[in-house]
Amino acid sequence: AQSVTQLGSHVSVSEGALVLLRCNYSSSVPPYLFWYVQYPNQGLQLLLKYTSAATLVKGINGFEAEFKKSETSFHLTKPSAHMSDAAEYFCAVSHISGYALNFGKGTSLLVTP
Amino acid sequence: NAGVMQNPRHLVRRRGQEARLRCSPMKGHSHVYWYRQLPEEGLKFMVYLQKENIIDESGMPKERFSAEFPKEGPSILRIQQVVRGDSAAYFCASSPAGVRDNEQFFGPGTRLTVL
Repeated sequence: AQSVTQLGSHVSVSEGALVLLRCNYSSSVPPYLFWYVQYPNQGLQLLLKYTSAATLVKGINGFEAEFKKSETSFHLTKPSAHMSDAAEYFCAVSHISGYALNFGKGTSLLVTP
Repeated sequence: NAGVMQNPRHLVRRRGQEARLRCSPMKGHSHVYWYRQLPEEGLKFMVYLQKENIIDESGMPKERFSAEFPKEGPSILRIQQVVRGDSAAYFCASSPAGVRDNEQFFGPGTRLTVL
């Protein structure tokens, strides 16, 4: 079964610094991959998704992620962190023939002034 | 276009009581998914329903939990005889029929606290 591993349960960056949140997946076939953001006491909002089109995916709020099959990775990046980016970020995977999303444990992003 | 609606947003129950969580999918969506988020954990799939059908309930605990999505009205996740371990955030998601990329739209969640 496909799964994802998010390295680093907490990441802290300075405002204006690069954001890098790591996600590795395990799947025997090309999956669909997603990044969601969750603000405190709220639901999940889709940031971006990979569905076997372009390997570099651009999302909302300046985030992007690159699908690297050779590394089985789908890391999330943003060139310059903003205070409003502080939230919990979840990577998720699903098989193209499936429907359930398998989520990583999440990475809590802290942005310091 | 309203998003996925869930109510109540917060629910407090004592051990042994029943909890009913409601989810109204986005307009035009006929597929509903329930997930549970335990503290410090990611979301775990529970059940996938279409109108009047349970498609996959492989993530549901074998006892006390049930779900339905009737022809009319919201989807209901029902937990009987709640225990403290049921305390969690329960999220509903929906998607339209025939979507291949599995994108799901999430509601704000119901936070269940069992005393």
